[in-house]
Amino acid sequence: ELKVEQNPLFLSMQEGKNYTIYCNYSTTSDRLYWYRQDPGKSLESLFVLLSNGAVKQEGRLMASLDTKARLSTLHITAAVHDLSATYFCAVDTNRDDKIIFGKGTRLHILP
Amino acid sequence: DAGITQSPRHKVTETGTPVTLRCHQTENHRYMYWYRQDPGHGLRLIHYSYGVKDTDKGEVSDGYSVSRSKTEDFLLTLESATSSQTSVYFCARKESWGSPLHFGNGTRLTVT
Repeated sequence: ELKVEQNPLFLSMQEGKNYTIYCNYSTTSDRLYWYRQDPGKSLESLFVLLSNGAVKQEGRLMASLDTKARLSTLHITAAVHDLSATYFCAVDTNRDDKIIFGKGTRLHILP
Repeated sequence: DAGITQSPRHKVTETGTPVTLRCHQTENHRYMYWYRQDPGHGLRLIHYSYGVKDTDKGEVSDGYSVSRSKTEDFLLTLESATSSQTSVYFCARKESWGSPLHFGNGTRLTVT
């Protein structure tokens, strides 16, 4: 059974700082997704990573995938308050069409 | 919206009653998913569908059933609602392999 673990689950950081959110998963997969959720809202797609070594960047966010280590990272560069949200990683299993989410990382960026 | 709508948006029901939540997409996508979101648990997969009449269980399927008789509609039924099923339910669609999920706005269900 696929398990997806994110850490940290909560992160409070100062504007202008850098930080990384980690997403580990338990079984073979080469399809990993990152989503953002604002309070009281739905989820929106940020990144789709489909192969080992894949790297995607959008503004101050950069996501990468290491399928051998079963690890994805979401790196935040020079954080700004607008990035405050909950970030989820999700893994698409190779065996079937299930998509399993981590518990999310609630990111709070202090001005 | 993201080509996917959920109804109702809010519902309050009593323990023991059946409840059906509806998810409708306008994109003709093959895959559809139902998740529940609870504090401390993130999103947990209830059921999903990979085509008309093709469905499978997710992580937390007990007490739930689904039906997909048309590509555009995916129904989630709580056969006999319990207080533990109080949650926010999200539906999502996916076009194909490697495509991201597109979520509806959610249904907040309260079981009293």
